[in-house]
Amino acid sequence: SQTIHQWPATLVQPVGSPLSLECTVEGTSNPNLYWYRQAAGRGLQLLFYSVGIGQISSEVPQNLSASRPQDRQFILSSKKLLLSDSGFYLCAWSVGGEHQPQHFGDGTRLSIL
Amino acid sequence: GQNIDQPTEMTATEGAIVQINCTYQTSGFNGLFWYQQHAGEAPTFLSYNVLDGLEEKGRFSSFLSRSKGYSYLLLKELQMKDSASYLCAVRDSNYQLIWGAGTKLIIKP
Repeated sequence: SQTIHQWPATLVQPVGSPLSLECTVEGTSNPNLYWYRQAAGRGLQLLFYSVGIGQISSEVPQNLSASRPQDRQFILSSKKLLLSDSGFYLCAWSVGGEHQPQHFGDGTRLSIL
Repeated sequence: GQNIDQPTEMTATEGAIVQINCTYQTSGFNGLFWYQQHAGEAPTFLSYNVLDGLEEKGRFSSFLSRSKGYSYLLLKELQMKDSASYLCAVRDSNYQLIWGAGTKLIIKP
């Protein structure tokens, strides 16, 4: 069966510091991969998605970037974090047709001080 | 613009039935998903509707009317563990998911 691993679970970082969040998927090949951010009381905001190695689509202009160095690895990065980057970051995967749902990792709660 | 509307919060009693509504205005429609999200956790998939009508899965059912831009999630025989947020998401013409802010469901004994 497929599993998704996302780490770390929580992270506290100072303003201006770099960021690297990692997500890996097991048990499937060539998944679609997604990074979301969820602010308190708000819907999920799609940040990036990828349909294959090295293919990244950005949905929202910001100081974040994403990379997909391997088929089942998706990384979210920043060179300099802002206070507004605080939130709950979720990685998700999907495969197959349009009726297939996205499945989420456990999330990373990021606090910027 | 694209918009998904859900009530912010609902309260129901253990053992009862509750209906959570979702209305949407999106650029195209390629399916509607319902997810459950417990506090501090990731969303988990509940149901999918692409054609009009009712889809039943145990205690949970989901209904869709495409002409009205409307869906609801029906939860029967409520249990305390059903206390969670319920997220409605619509796949648009670009096959991206547009998410509602979620409905926080509080179950009282």
